[in-house]
Amino acid sequence: EDKVVQSPLSLVVHEGDTVTLNCSYEVTNFRSLLWYKQEKKAPTFLFMLTSSGIEKKSGRLSSILDKKELSSILNITATQTGDSAIYLCAVYKGGSEKLVFGKGTKLTVNP
Amino acid sequence: DVKVTQSSRYLVKRTGEKVFLECVQDMDHENMFWYRQDPGLGLRLIYFSYDVKMKEKGDIPEGYSVSREKKERFSLILESASTNQTSMYLCASSLSNRDRADGYTFGSGTRLTVV
Repeated sequence: EDKVVQSPLSLVVHEGDTVTLNCSYEVTNFRSLLWYKQEKKAPTFLFMLTSSGIEKKSGRLSSILDKKELSSILNITATQTGDSAIYLCAVYKGGSEKLVFGKGTKLTVNP
Repeated sequence: DVKVTQSSRYLVKRTGEKVFLECVQDMDHENMFWYRQDPGLGLRLIYFSYDVKMKEKGDIPEGYSVSREKKERFSLILESASTNQTSMYLCASSLSNRDRADGYTFGSGTRLTVV
């Protein structure tokens, strides 16, 4: 059975801290891994990763995929209260249009 | 800049009622999906559609049905609402495999409460 596991499930930090969110997967015929940020409503796209070892960056957020370890990390540096959200990890399998989602990591950034 | 629109943000229905949740996308996407999101359980796929009049069951289809009569619209139907269907419902759409660049585009969600 295909599986995407995120850890931790929740995390509370102070503004300015750096956080690392983890995502591991067990899927047949892996194609790509995606990260989304969900605040109060619609999840919004952050990154799509298909190649191992290539870091994607957007401001204070960065992510990298390790196909050997079947995992990905999402780093957020110098966190702000606006980073408080649920971060979702999801995987595409080859030949499928469906994303397999993890349960998400709820990040709370306190001032 | 609205792309995926869900007809209601909040909805309260009575047990046994037939409930329609509507989703419309304006991006000409082939694929559309309905998920429910519950604390501790994450997103669970209810139904999806790859084309007009086409539908496939997801992981938790029991108690739900769908309709896709036009490419841009995908409706989720709760035939007889029950309290265990109280949840956040998220609609999403995406391009087909060969054109996909950023996965799904999600709607803002409908928080349904069944009393």
